[in-house]
Amino acid sequence: DQQVKQNSPSLSVQEGRISILNCDYTNSMFDYFLWYKKYPAEGPTFLISISSIKDKNEDGRFTVFLNKSAKHLSLHIVPSQPGDSAVYFCAASDKYGNKLVFGAGTILRVKS
Amino acid sequence: DTAVSQTPKYLVTQMGNDKSIKCEQNLGHDTMYWYKQDSKKFLKIMFSYNNKELIINETVPNRFSPKSPDKAHLNLHINSLELGDSAVYFCASSQQHRVTDTQYFGPGTRLTVL
Repeated sequence: DQQVKQNSPSLSVQEGRISILNCDYTNSMFDYFLWYKKYPAEGPTFLISISSIKDKNEDGRFTVFLNKSAKHLSLHIVPSQPGDSAVYFCAASDKYGNKLVFGAGTILRVKS
Repeated sequence: DTAVSQTPKYLVTQMGNDKSIKCEQNLGHDTMYWYKQDSKKFLKIMFSYNNKELIINETVPNRFSPKSPDKAHLNLHINSLELGDSAVYFCASSQQHRVTDTQYFGPGTRLTVL
């Protein structure tokens, strides 16, 4: 059962434009959400997180939006840069904070 | 000065063999994890250790056995390898066993079982 879904396997965006990566979840007990970024031949690196008590968290060019009623979150990257080209994983955890459940990832390509 | 390192990076072996993957972190963290990324690209938690104590043990065949000789090391032993074990295995560490503590991942070990 895929509790965290990233329905777009890939996304292509022009440099300088906005990239929007989407993530849906099914488990209503999830209350902490994270985005990880992964380059080829490297491990995932933490990007940004959001708690369910918030609906938005911003860190520089990266903003995560959480819509609890829709069980949906999105990552916005503005402006997109070629170095942002990577696989982006959405992950979630319940309030017990025991483990992360990851989506399958979205490949982002930023064209210069 | 790699924070989380894994060896080997690539491992090709025959069905039925026994192999080990080593993981070391130099971040001084208390918690370490093993994840498996299968062909569908999902990263799934297999095990976690906190201060050498097993915390998470997901539904993993008992052919997989983690061993933590100290807080800085978490090795993964796999017995009687099967074709379905082919995957990328990632080690990770965090300060404590809390999801609010950032997990730092190693570069992964690509295991291919022939």
